[in-house]
Amino acid sequence: DAGVIQSPRHEVTEMGQEVTLRCKPISGHDYLFWYRQTMMRGLELLIYFNNNVPIDDSGMPEDRFSAKMPNASFSTLKIQPSEPRDSAVYFCASQRGNTGELFFGEGSRLTVL
Amino acid sequence: KNEVEQSPQNLTAQEGEFITINCSYSVGISALHWLQQHPGGGIVSLFMLSSGKKKHGRLIATINIQEKHSSLHITASHPRDSAVYICAVDSGSARQLTFGSGTQLTVLP
Repeated sequence: DAGVIQSPRHEVTEMGQEVTLRCKPISGHDYLFWYRQTMMRGLELLIYFNNNVPIDDSGMPEDRFSAKMPNASFSTLKIQPSEPRDSAVYFCASQRGNTGELFFGEGSRLTVL
Repeated sequence: KNEVEQSPQNLTAQEGEFITINCSYSVGISALHWLQQHPGGGIVSLFMLSSGKKKHGRLIATINIQEKHSSLHITASHPRDSAVYICAVDSGSARQLTFGSGTQLTVLP
């Protein structure tokens, strides 16, 4: 298996623009997580899905952030409009069941100017 | 007070040394994860454990549930072990991991 695949790896955009980050989890994994990592706050959970259904989005900073999982092999995290404080590395991770090992993607480094 | 405390924050060792990184937590957990992150790189899960001890190559992870403490040991350390090591606990509720702030390990040749 290719592992968790994220795109883009790097994105530089201007404030106010829409940003879409993509994630393909490992086949057969029924949990998908979106995390954000910054120097100041470390790793934070934004939202997670179980069997494509959003379970807990309490970590989503505000209404500018939204996430979808239309099927078991694809998820998106959208920021609209983006702001400089959204600059961070966004990680997607997937897991089989609630006792399986967690697998992370390589991350998407977002810079909002 | 953070729910997950790691120590030390920074660690420099000479190649070949035995290394220990500690993690203490204050909540009840269902599992504890040790993660590795290389500079500018992705995150790799090293271990997930809920009791006892696990070993993978030169890495050993232990956990003491009663004392709410886990350790990650690296035997015969190598410069390629240089990375940030992150402890994360799964309290079992809402599937949320609580992360430690990480330990920056530098192994000098």
